[in-house]
Amino acid sequence: AQSVTQPDIHITVSEGASLELRCNYSYGATPYLFWYVQSPGQGLQLLLKYFSGDTLVQGIKGFEAEFKRSQSSFNLRKPSVHWSDAAEYFCAVGARSGYSTLTFGKGTMLLVSP
Amino acid sequence: NAGVMQNPRHLVRRRGQEARLRCSPMKGHSHVYWYRQLPEEGLKFMVYLQKENIIDESGMPKERFSAEFPKEGPSILRIQQVVRGDSAAYFCASSPLAGGTDTQYFGPGTRLTVL
Repeated sequence: AQSVTQPDIHITVSEGASLELRCNYSYGATPYLFWYVQSPGQGLQLLLKYFSGDTLVQGIKGFEAEFKRSQSSFNLRKPSVHWSDAAEYFCAVGARSGYSTLTFGKGTMLLVSP
Repeated sequence: NAGVMQNPRHLVRRRGQEARLRCSPMKGHSHVYWYRQLPEEGLKFMVYLQKENIIDESGMPKERFSAEFPKEGPSILRIQQVVRGDSAAYFCASSPLAGGTDTQYFGPGTRLTVL
């Protein structure tokens, strides 16, 4: 069965500093990988996704993520955090065969300090 | 193109009542997924439906929960005889195709509170 681990429950970053959110997955093969962001009381917005090809994926709002097969990781990064980035971030995996329901990590809450 | 619509956004029920949650997928999308988010947890898959068919309900509790996606109208997640443990945010997602490469687009969710 597939699973996703986001080891950091909360992270606090100063505005303007760089950010890296960790995501490790367990899956029998290379899965499809996603990062979603959820603002308080809102739904989930897709930040970026990895299906194949270049292992460095660019997303919206200046985010990027790198797929590392050897480490089973798909960490999310941003070079300079803005106060509006404060939200909860979810990593998810989907199967490559047939239909694809998503398995989510428990999320990382990002707090941005002035 | 409107996004995924869910209503109501907030729903309060007393124990033993029924809750009906509605999801209208994006235009052109015929695949609907329901997920549940418990407090301080990630989203958990519940059920996957295509028009008039339940494809996978492996994440759905065996009792009191049911889902449908009729030929016309929104998808409905129905919870009978609600209990306090059903309090959660319920999210619907839709996609145009079933394949793994297809992105799921999420609605704003329905936050169910059981008193």
